[in-house]
Amino acid sequence: GDSVTQMEGPVTLSEEAFLTINCTYTATGYPSLFWYVQYPGEGLQLLLKATKADDKGSNKGFEATYRKETTSFHLEKGSVQVSDSAVYFCALSYNQGGKLIFGQGTELSVKP
Amino acid sequence: SAVISQKPSRDICQRGTSLTIQCQVDSQVTMMFWYRQQPGQSLTLIATANQGSEATYESGFVIDKFPISRPNLTFSTLTVSNMSPEDSSIYLCSAPRGGTYSTDTQYFGPGTRLTVL
Repeated sequence: GDSVTQMEGPVTLSEEAFLTINCTYTATGYPSLFWYVQYPGEGLQLLLKATKADDKGSNKGFEATYRKETTSFHLEKGSVQVSDSAVYFCALSYNQGGKLIFGQGTELSVKP
Repeated sequence: SAVISQKPSRDICQRGTSLTIQCQVDSQVTMMFWYRQQPGQSLTLIATANQGSEATYESGFVIDKFPISRPNLTFSTLTVSNMSPEDSSIYLCSAPRGGTYSTDTQYFGPGTRLTVL
């Protein structure tokens, strides 16, 4: 069945470091891909999305490119801030308004 | 974008009891979803709630344990029945932004943190 696999956390970085969180997926069709973020004590928020191959989603300095050939959707940011500390979830859906299949989440901790 | 609220935000319950969680969306949506996030884990879909029909449950979840109501296009409830400590989780509802038949991205409520003693 369909699934999403993320790199294990926690990931600990210093402020202004480069961030990559790996995400790969297994899908029988052509899903849309998403990154959601959960800040400490808060609900789940959409960070960015891409709906087809080679699309790049971006928001708040974060980027991810939908790579069909490698079935990946890695999250990157050039310079992280302490305020980026959160848990990041990669997810897929065959219908943007439909159910989501989530990866296990990656906790990011950014130190000043 | 849709605003989704949930009540209660948290609760501590005794085993064997039941808790009903409410989810309110500020716009009409066809589908609403209920997810469970166990401690330190990812989100798992419990069921899809369509207005006017029975909820559709995912593998491993049954109606007797998690009955769902969907009385109109802006509201749903999830009941966690006959609770045990293993039911301690965050329960989240979600709905797509953009209206009744929208296929736009899903947005999530703030969650209900349930602890079962």
